[in-house]
Amino acid sequence: EAAVTQSPRNKVAVTGGKVTLSCNQTNNHNNMYWYRQDTGHGLRLIHYSYGAGSTEKGDIPDGYKASRPSQENFSLILELATPSQTSVYFCASAGTGGAYAEQFFGPGTRLTVL
Amino acid sequence: GDSVTQTEGPVTVSESESLIINCTYSATSIAYPNLFWYVRYPGEGLQLLLKVITAGQKGSSRGFEATYNKETTSFHLQKASVQESDSAVYYCALGGYNQGKLIFGQGTKLSIKP
Repeated sequence: EAAVTQSPRNKVAVTGGKVTLSCNQTNNHNNMYWYRQDTGHGLRLIHYSYGAGSTEKGDIPDGYKASRPSQENFSLILELATPSQTSVYFCASAGTGGAYAEQFFGPGTRLTVL
Repeated sequence: GDSVTQTEGPVTVSESESLIINCTYSATSIAYPNLFWYVRYPGEGLQLLLKVITAGQKGSSRGFEATYNKETTSFHLQKASVQESDSAVYYCALGGYNQGKLIFGQGTKLSIKP
């Protein structure tokens, strides 16, 4: 069964600080995704990746960078965190690039920026 | 644009009663939309509940079912008799992009009264 883990699970950061959220998957999936989920909104795509070394902008990339150093790991980086980035972040992976591929999600990281 | 709208939560249903969570979609840039229901139990990541990739077909899982209706652009989730263990947040999602991206509804929090 697909296993996607995220760290940390909870994070409190200060405005202007740098935050790195990490995601690891053990199913050798090519595609990985970062979403944020806010009350009243569905999950919104921030960045995604087709494989090691690749990152692509999603629907709301401003203020975020992504890094995919290996097949297993995909990080989301907030260089200068702002209170508007307070949210729950989900990482997901999928096995193929096709439209039918099921996405497997991590448990989420709750980020609070003060 | 492409979007998903679902029943505004929270929703409370008594155990053994029937449930319907409405989902409608707009897929202006997707030639062949795929539709999904994901569920998030407390403390866990999202997991796929069911998916339907062909219009007119019905998907079912764990007593839940949803029919992909292209005419009404709907994909409502139904269950005849809910259980306390069904308490969770349910997300309707639209796919069909080459990159495997999904567009999510805002989520519907379901609570079951014993």
